Amino acid sequence: DTGVSQNPRHKITKRGQNVTFRCDPISEHNRLYWYRQTLGQGPEFLTYFQNEAQLEKSRLLSDRFSAERPKGSFSTLEIQRTEQGDSAMYLCASSLQGTGTDTQYFGPGTRLTVL
Amino acid sequence: AQSVTQLGSHVSVSEGALVLLRCNYSSSVPPYLFWYVQYPNQGLQLLLKYTSAATLVKGINGFEAEFKKSETSFHLTKPSAHMSDAAEYFCAVSYNNNDMRFGAGTRLTVKP
Repeated sequence: DTGVSQNPRHKITKRGQNVTFRCDPISEHNRLYWYRQTLGQGPEFLTYFQNEAQLEKSRLLSDRFSAERPKGSFSTLEIQRTEQGDSAMYLCASSLQGTGTDTQYFGPGTRLTVL
Repeated sequence: AQSVTQLGSHVSVSEGALVLLRCNYSSSVPPYLFWYVQYPNQGLQLLLKYTSAATLVKGINGFEAEFKKSETSFHLTKPSAHMSDAAEYFCAVSYNNNDMRFGAGTRLTVKP
């Protein structure tokens, strides 16, 4: 039983550089979510996909952030021109849309440090 | 707008004692409510969820939570704490399951 995986687990970058994270959801899940979690806070919703369509984006997702899910399977989150304030844990979750409430299963996260 | 408030950023109990982690929500419509646990350097794991069926929800690892509409609460309890319960606990609310709002978290410490 493979859960949600994220790569890399840790990323250290210099301010101004671009970074890209990858999320592989549970294979049959059609929904995929990205969250950001800063120290001492709960996760904050960034965006979500249903299959390959990006259906909702939080206002937290500035124009330096872009997420894709080109084939409805894995997803990437890119941050351009990173800033120190982007340092956080980036969490991915997936779920299977069905009747009732869909349970979101989380990956281990990618911890980003911007120097 | 929906949100959750977790009272107490840090709770400490002795092994074998009752665990009570508080969560209050604000939502204009009946919400879905969740409790997740996060161990160090790991993702979030679902403990339990409320979806308007039974108000007392039983989850994994002996945890349960009771939905009280009159108090807008969804507190998490466990009768007897175990050392392995030490972790960060997050309450979350959603009414459309697309946009889940998390509380700030409560760190549970279990003393031997």
